[in-house]
Amino acid sequence: QKEVEQDPGPLSVPEGAIVSLNCTYSNSAFQYFMWYRQYSRKGPELLMYTYSSGNKEDGRFTAQVDKSSKYISLFIRDSQPSDSATYLCAMSGWGSQGNLIFGKGTKLSVKP
Amino acid sequence: NAGVTQTPKFQVLKTGQSMTLQCAQDMNHNSMYWYRQDPGMGLRLIYYSASEGTTDKGEVPNGYNVSRLNKREFSLRLESAAPSQTSVYFCASSEAEGQVDGYTFGSGTRLTVV
Repeated sequence: QKEVEQDPGPLSVPEGAIVSLNCTYSNSAFQYFMWYRQYSRKGPELLMYTYSSGNKEDGRFTAQVDKSSKYISLFIRDSQPSDSATYLCAMSGWGSQGNLIFGKGTKLSVKP
Repeated sequence: NAGVTQTPKFQVLKTGQSMTLQCAQDMNHNSMYWYRQDPGMGLRLIYYSASEGTTDKGEVPNGYNVSRLNKREFSLRLESAAPSQTSVYFCASSEAEGQVDGYTFGSGTRLTVV
């Protein structure tokens, strides 16, 4: 079993929809949870960062971490065509020297 | 613009050829990383350098070597390219080892080995 599992999609939604993206993980040592956004033919860029459990909100984006279930989510409200990208979850834990373990990424398309 | 610069952006190699992928950052970051991204596999760490003068293996180091030339530059070398090394390669940097909220990625090198 891979340490981080993420449904690759693709996911297609109409503009204005609420989008839910998820990852599960198996390593209980993970403490840092990130969401990256990657546009086509570009490098990933950090979207959200959460330490341990809880919620974090930034504009239309909300990241949730449930360590008891080993499950993280990213919600996008009022989705826009400009949100069309691949979303990668990433995780790291104590003693990993900052090495990130990535999910496979979910490709999202928001249709006007 | 400040950031991570990778060269070349595209490359086609024949099996057995060698090449070096270059990466430079101008953010005065201490740590640098090389990842590869394959369809259905996500990003996987090849090598990293926690600080100038140090390098360590990541998840998939076989077939690669790295050099941390100075604080700014971290190169990845393929000594004898194989078709299995066809991938998109990303370099990244962070201010410090373990600063997971501060990774900056380059725009990638698309390598095809035929």
